[in-house]
Amino acid sequence: GQQVMQIPQYQHVQEGEDFTTYCNSSTTLSNIQWYKQRPGGHPVFLIQLVKSGEVKKQKRLTFQFGEAKKNSSLHITATQTTDVGTYFCAGNPSNTGKLIFGQGTTLQVKP
Amino acid sequence: KAGVTQTPRYLIKTRGQQVTLSCSPISGHRSVSWYQQTPGQGLQFLFEYFSETQRNKGNFPGRFSGRQFSNSRSEMNVSTLELGDSALYLCASSLGAQRPSGATDTQYFGPGTRLTVL
Repeated sequence: GQQVMQIPQYQHVQEGEDFTTYCNSSTTLSNIQWYKQRPGGHPVFLIQLVKSGEVKKQKRLTFQFGEAKKNSSLHITATQTTDVGTYFCAGNPSNTGKLIFGQGTTLQVKP
Repeated sequence: KAGVTQTPRYLIKTRGQQVTLSCSPISGHRSVSWYQQTPGQGLQFLFEYFSETQRNKGNFPGRFSGRQFSNSRSEMNVSTLELGDSALYLCASSLGAQRPSGATDTQYFGPGTRLTVL
C-alpha cells in the first residue's frame, strides 16, 4: 500500500546544533504537509509544499520538496529548547485527498 | 474561532465493549477526519467525512465506523473493543475543498480522546 517513511525516528541534539528529518514516499505525492506535535499535545500544521523542487522557509526552519515529489525534508538551524517535539510529514498521494502520515521524528534538545 | 473539540478526553473500557467518540469541528469546516495514534504505528488514517458522506477510508476493520451530522459534527464508533485499540484518537477538521492545484486543506487537530482498553 501507499507508505510514507520518515527518518530518523529519534534525534537528540545539543542546543544550537542543526537538525534534519527526512520523508520518503513510495508513490508520487500531490503535496506534502508538515506538522509539529509538542509532548502531550496534538499535531499543529506548519507548512504545505505543492510544487516540485519547492523550498520554503519559516525563520530557522527550511522545508524542501523533492524534484520527483516523492521526498521531503525539514531542516532546523541552531535548535532551541522550544523546538522539542515530534515532527510529522504527511503526504497526499496523487490527489486522493487522503493524508498519509510518516512515523514522525521526535526531537530532544539538550540545553 | 473556537478550535476542534473532542469528547470525552479520556475513556477506559474493557474488551468486547463498544465506544463512541465525538468531534466538533471548527465552525465553517465541512470535513472531519479521524486518526489513530499509537507509539508503535504513528498516526494512522481511519476515515474522512465531508457533508455527511464518507469520502475517504483507511485500512481499518469494519469494527471502526463513523458518521457525520448535518452540523458537521462527527462521531466515531468502535465495536467489540480489543486491547490493541488502546490509543489516542484524534479528529481533524478542514474546509474540505479538493483543489485542482494539488494542495490539500490544512488539518486542524483536536486534543484527542485517549482510549484505554483493559
